[in-house]
Amino acid sequence: DTGVSQDPRHKITKRGQNVTFRCDPISEHNRLYWYRQTLGQGPEFLTYFQNEAQLEKSRLLSDRFSAERPKGSFSTLEIQRTEQGDSAMYLCASSLAAGSHEQFFGPGTRLTVL
Amino acid sequence: AQKVTQAQTEISVVEKEDVTLDCVYETRDTTYYLFWYKQPPSGELVFLIRRNSFDEQNEISGRYSWNFQKSTSSFNFTITASQVVDSAVYFCALSEGILTGGGNKLTFGTGTQLKVEL
Repeated sequence: DTGVSQDPRHKITKRGQNVTFRCDPISEHNRLYWYRQTLGQGPEFLTYFQNEAQLEKSRLLSDRFSAERPKGSFSTLEIQRTEQGDSAMYLCASSLAAGSHEQFFGPGTRLTVL
Repeated sequence: AQKVTQAQTEISVVEKEDVTLDCVYETRDTTYYLFWYKQPPSGELVFLIRRNSFDEQNEISGRYSWNFQKSTSSFNFTITASQVVDSAVYFCALSEGILTGGGNKLTFGTGTQLKVEL
């Protein structure tokens, strides 16, 4: 049984470019979460999906951010027109929808915007 | 709104010492979950424990123990006989809206960096 995987692990981009990250959750988990973590801080919630439905988005998720989970399995997080303030670790987590509330995290994608 | 406070930014101990990491939370919900996660230098968050708001029993797992006190809104974590491998950042987190379908999103504290030295 594999855990949550994320790709790429590191991304360096220039300001203004678009980037896309992928998350593959644990196979039987129907909830998928995205968080962002900056240096010295705890992860902050961005958005979550139950199956393919995006049920909640944080105010942190500006219009430049979009997330999808088209078939209820993997998810993508796209950032358009990146800014230096977008530099952070983007974490994906998954959980079962009912009964279990533990979220299992992937290794994260570290984004650096130059 | 929910909030988690970890007042200890960094703690340094010598191996075999006991160490307690503090966590204080704020919530208006009567039903919620509390968590501890470990983030080693590799960066991946590792789940340690979940505690629901109805269960104030303390829990022990090997060298780890947790003290949940609803009266003081605290959920402290103690490592007994610390080891170098315990060096990591530890996060306390809160999940609300269990009964109202809040999605179980986690609100994290800012973390406590634990350094265990020989």
